[in-house]
This record gives sequence, C-alpha cells and structure tokens, in this order.
Amino acid sequence: DAGVIQSPRHEVTEMGQEVTLRCKPISGHDYLFWYRQTMMRGLELLIYFNNNVPIDDSGMPEDRFSAKMPNASFSTLKIQPSEPRDSAVYFCASSFRDSKNGYTFGSGTRLTVV
Amino acid sequence: AQSVTQPDIHITVSEGASLELRCNYSYGATPYLFWYVQSPGQGLQLLLKYFSGDTLVQGIKGFEAEFKRSQSSFNLRKPSVHWSDAAEYFCAVGAGSYGKLTFGQGTILTVHP
Repeated sequence: DAGVIQSPRHEVTEMGQEVTLRCKPISGHDYLFWYRQTMMRGLELLIYFNNNVPIDDSGMPEDRFSAKMPNASFSTLKIQPSEPRDSAVYFCASSFRDSKNGYTFGSGTRLTVV
Repeated sequence: AQSVTQPDIHITVSEGASLELRCNYSYGATPYLFWYVQSPGQGLQLLLKYFSGDTLVQGIKGFEAEFKRSQSSFNLRKPSVHWSDAAEYFCAVGAGSYGKLTFGQGTILTVHP
C-alpha cells in the first residue's frame, strides 16, 4: 500500500483565496482524521470521520474551514477565505476500526498564506 | 476522557548515551498506548504500541517502552542514541472502541555529537 497520500505537499496562496487540501486514506481504513500543526499550538485535531460520516468537528477553528469525505477513498479540507494565521502544516491520518491500531499519517501539506 | 502528559518539552543527549522520554496518561481502564516520531519536515511515524500482554514492548529503530499501570506511565527508552534519532516524539493514548487518539504535546530530542 502507498500509505496515506496528501496533496499538494506545499501550497502558497494569497490571503482571501480558497485553498483545498486533499487526502487519500489507506484502502480499507474506516477512520480519517485531519490535524493542524503549528509551533505555537502543536498538533490539533480538526475533524474526524468514521465510514465517511463526520463524527467530531469541534476542532474546526471557524466557519471558514470545512471538510468532506464523499467516499471511502477521498477527503478534502477547504479553507475559504484563507488568512495568514491559517499557515501551518496540515496532516491527514487514517486508521482501521478502533484506536488499538493507531494511525497512519500522511506526509502533510505545508500551507503558507501571504 | 483520556489525557496525555509529556513533562519534558526539550531533551538534549550526547550520541551514544541512553535515552528515556517520559509519558503519563490518564484513563480509567487499560488504554492503548503509542509512541510516534516526527523527523523535520516529515509526518508522524509509529514507533511502537501497547494494548495488552507483555508490558515491555519493542519497536522500530531500537526503541522500547514499558507500560506501568501503577504509575500511569509509558516511557520510551533507547540504550544508545544515534544522531539520526534527533526528532520530535509524541506519546498518544486511545480508549476502547473509539478510533480517536489523544496526543501529548511532544518532546523535542536534540543529539550532540
């Protein structure tokens, strides 16, 4: 398996623009997680899905952030409009069944909003 | 709800020295416990995990961790550190049938030659 695949690896955008981050989980995994990592706040859970259904989105910072999982092999995290404070590394992770199996993380998308 | 504390934000060791990174958790039942490593510019990689059985678990890259229920701890150890071990290390705890893990704040490891 190729692991969790995120795209793009790097994104630089201007303030006010829409940004879409993409994630392909490991085939067969039924949980998908979106995290944000910054120096100041560390690793933050934004939202997670189980069987394509959002379970907990309490970590989504504002209405500017939205996430979808239209099928078991694809998820997006969208920021509209983007702001400089959204600059961070965004990670996607997936897992199988309960937390005993741990997560497999993607390589992340480094977002810079200028 | 479960929680994880990594008391040390930053640790510096000399190459060849032994290493112990601390992790304390809070959870009412037997937790699932994990250590992840993140090298600069990379995602998090699973080092090892514990969910039952032998309380001393072996992982990749020569790391091991010991689950001590009486101390609510799951400390990570390595007998001899290599320069390539310089990274950030995260402890995480999972609970029961929920898929969600709770991560600690991380410990940054610096290795001096």
